Amino acid sequence: QAQLVQSGAEVKTPGASVKVSCKASDFIFTKYFIHWVRQAPGQGLEWMGWINPNSGDTKSAEKFQGRVSMTRDTSINTAYMELRSLTPDDTAFYYCASWGYYGSGSFYNYWGQGPLVTVSS
Amino acid sequence: EIVLTQSPGTLSLSPGERATLSCRASQSVSSNYLAWYQQKAGQAPRLLIYGASSRATGIPDRFSGSGSGTDFTLTINRLEPEDFAVYYCQQYGSSPVTFGQGTKVEI
Repeated sequence: QAQLVQSGAEVKTPGASVKVSCKASDFIFTKYFIHWVRQAPGQGLEWMGWINPNSGDTKSAEKFQGRVSMTRDTSINTAYMELRSLTPDDTAFYYCASWGYYGSGSFYNYWGQGPLVTVSS
Repeated sequence: EIVLTQSPGTLSLSPGERATLSCRASQSVSSNYLAWYQQKAGQAPRLLIYGASSRATGIPDRFSGSGSGTDFTLTINRLEPEDFAVYYCQQYGSSPVTFGQGTKVEI
């Protein structure tokens, strides 16, 4: 069973950066895009962007452009999301996820556990 | 950007009743690439429906999705106690990917 396992909860001060990892297991890492989705406590889901682990190409939501970096290390099947210049409004659960269609037409959908990043002075 | 508007915000029902959740898109969803998720407190979203009407693996048949273009519906027949949760729609056919704001189904 494919899994995405993320790093643990973090507490950061305003202005700092956070880097969240997402390790894929039983999953052909370079074949499927990894998306990043965040959710402020008690709020809805917000898509942040994706990375193509094969090429390293990325696309981020306009809201996060210039402040987010998505990278990967194919040798350890791990994707990373770094968010800079944190403010308390960035306090949220940060999920990595992967979804899409296999060539056969069936659909895959995997989510990490979504660690909480707390930004507070 | 495709804006997804879910209604109602909260649905108060009893076990055994039917829930009807709506998701309206600001423009047509490409290839009906519309998914529904269930989320419970402290958990990651769980996929229920993809492609507007296809049930994900292991999802009970009391969950069904319908619709096309800009109007989509998730129906839950005969609500079970474990179905009380928040439900989100998501379109994944156009960039950026967008989610609805959620519908809470409560007892």
